[in-house]
Amino acid sequence: GAVVSQHPSWVICKSGTSVKIECRSLDFQATTMFWYRQFPKQSLMLMATSNEGSKATYEQGVEKDKFLINHASLTLSTLTVTSAHPEDSSFYICSATQSGGEYGYTFGSGTRLTVV
Amino acid sequence: AQSVTQLGSHVSVSEGALVLLRCNYSSSVPPYLFWYVQYPNQGLQLLLKYTSAATLVKGINGFEAEFKKSETSFHLTKPSAHMRDAAEYFCAVSGPKGGKLIFGQGTELSVKP
Repeated sequence: GAVVSQHPSWVICKSGTSVKIECRSLDFQATTMFWYRQFPKQSLMLMATSNEGSKATYEQGVEKDKFLINHASLTLSTLTVTSAHPEDSSFYICSATQSGGEYGYTFGSGTRLTVV
Repeated sequence: AQSVTQLGSHVSVSEGALVLLRCNYSSSVPPYLFWYVQYPNQGLQLLLKYTSAATLVKGINGFEAEFKKSETSFHLTKPSAHMRDAAEYFCAVSGPKGGKLIFGQGTELSVKP
């Protein structure tokens, strides 16, 4: 079945530094990838949608300059949290789809980011 | 625009009892509907999906869901709960051509021995 690998699974960084999270589709070409943020005991909040070779589409209220998304190939998307602050601490999850709802959406295992 | 509402943020059942998790959707286009399960500090695992074929969908681990257009519902059921079913469950909706996957608020399922 479709597999999405997300790394790292957890990261601790100092306030003011940047952190990069990778999301790879291992056995399929992901035409679209999504990035979500999840706070404890809450649902997944869509941050942005990225299509290979195009600029990401951000949801309302998500800072483009803080959360940089790159989708350079059909198997890799990255989320960079720039100048991280403690309020950016959260669980970040990526998802990939091959060609829309028919094939479903495969999720990575998530990244726990803690900014100290 | 699409949205999903999960009724009940927390459901508790006894082991061996019926599990019923409720999901209602709103969609201006024919919806694709999904149920996912999440264990603590992990990603989401697909339980089942409806993509305009059979309205009764069978998934993994004994779960199934029925798409009812007249009620705009896609409730998740399992005849007999196991302790290992304790987790967070999310209902989600997308359009037929993919695009955004929109999640409900989630329902935490507890299973009592």
